[in-house]
Amino acid sequence: EDQVTQSPEALRLQEGESSSLNCSYTVSGLRGLFWYRQDPGKGPEFLFTLYSAGEEKEKERLKATLTKKESFLHITAPKPEDSATYLCAVQTGANNLFFGTGTRLTVIP
Amino acid sequence: DAGITQSPRYKITETGRQVTLMCHQTWSHSYMFWYRQDLGHGLRLIYYSAAADITDKGEVPDGYVVSRSKTENFPLTLESATRSQTSVYFCASSATNTNQPQHFGDGTRLSIL
Repeated sequence: EDQVTQSPEALRLQEGESSSLNCSYTVSGLRGLFWYRQDPGKGPEFLFTLYSAGEEKEKERLKATLTKKESFLHITAPKPEDSATYLCAVQTGANNLFFGTGTRLTVIP
Repeated sequence: DAGITQSPRYKITETGRQVTLMCHQTWSHSYMFWYRQDLGHGLRLIYYSAAADITDKGEVPDGYVVSRSKTENFPLTLESATRSQTSVYFCASSATNTNQPQHFGDGTRLSIL
């Protein structure tokens, strides 16, 4: 059975304190791994897609990496506006997305 | 403005009533999706549609009905609402179903009393 697990569930960082969020997956036939950001009361906002092990994508203070079993979302020198829930989703052979439960990030000024 | 819009944003209804959630996108995307989001669960797919008049079940389709007569609209109907269907519902669309991200609306918060 396909599974996506995100850790930690919640993370509090001081402004400027870099850290990483983890998304581990057990799926058959990974077609792509997606990262989204979700603010309270809003829909998920697309950040990155990764397709193969070793791939990396960057956007401002965020960098996503992918191995055969997990993906990391690295946050460098975060700011309070980076506070949000970060969702990971995998796309399998059926072409539908399976989402993790997310990591709620709080960045304290 | 281009994008994907959901209505209503909030809805309170009673068990046994029929309720329809609306979703409209202006990108002319072929694929549209309905998810529900509950505490302790990731977003779970209810139904999706590959094109007008083509729909298919997702992970949790029971109790829901969809239709897609026009490419831009994808309404979700709860024919006889139950308390277990209290949730936040998100609609999404994508140009294709591979290698393209899904873009989400801001959701409908549905409470069933």
